[in-house]
Amino acid sequence: EIVMTQSPVTLSVSSGERATLSCRASQSVSSNLAWYQQKPGQAPRLLIYGASTRATGIPARFTGSGSGTEFTLTITSLQSEDFAVYYCQQYNDWPALTFGGGTKVEIK
Amino acid sequence: EVQLLESGGGLVQPGGSLRLSCAASGFTFNTYAMSWVRQAPGKGLEWVSAISTDGGATFYADSVKGRFTISRDNSKNTLYLQMNGLRAEDTAVYYCVRGVVPPAMTRIGWFDPWGQGTLVTVSS
Repeated sequence: EIVMTQSPVTLSVSSGERATLSCRASQSVSSNLAWYQQKPGQAPRLLIYGASTRATGIPARFTGSGSGTEFTLTITSLQSEDFAVYYCQQYNDWPALTFGGGTKVEIK
Repeated sequence: EVQLLESGGGLVQPGGSLRLSCAASGFTFNTYAMSWVRQAPGKGLEWVSAISTDGGATFYADSVKGRFTISRDNSKNTLYLQMNGLRAEDTAVYYCVRGVVPPAMTRIGWFDPWGQGTLVTVSS
C-alpha cells in the first residue's frame, strides 16, 4: 500500500495570503494524484487531478504541481471560502487507492 | 445536474448487517465505474470498494474484504453496499462516489462527484 503523508497537519493563513500544502507518497505515483477540498459538514469536492489539472469550475487560484513522490497544492490569495480541509489521493496503485491524512487550512 | 443520494445508514450492533443504497441521476449511470469511500468521525478518507460499469468486476479494501459486498442495478441507476459482520471500526460516514477513468488508463483514477454521505454507527 502506498502511504500518502500530508504536511502540515494545520496551516494558519490570513485572508489574501498564499497557502502551500504538501503531499508526499511513500513510492512514486507518477502524476496520478488528485486533490480534494472538504468543508465542515460537507462531502469532499474534487479540485485537481493528474497532479496539476483543475477540475471543472475550480478557480485559477488553486494550482497543483509535482510528480513522483512530492506534490504541492498552492492556493494564492486565500478567500474566506477556501478555509477547509484538503486531501490528496493517489490512483497509481490499483485497487489500493489511498488518501493522505489531510491538511486543515484555518484563519490566522 | 449529477446527483448521488445515499440512504440506509443507521445504528447497528456489532456483528450486524446493513445495506446502503445510492440513487444516481443526471448522468448515464451504466457508463461509469462507481465506488464507496468512508470517513470515520473526525478522521480522514478511506476507499472501501469499487465496481465496474457492468458489475462484473468488484474490488475491496483489505479492511472490508469478505464482509462487504458492492453491487449495482443499472436498470434502477442504483449502487449498493451490503455490509455484514459490522465492527465498531466500521463506524463512519459512507460516501457514494462516481469514479473517473483517466485517459490511457483502465481503472478508476479520481472521484467526482461525491454524494452527501450516510452515517453508519456500529455500537451496542
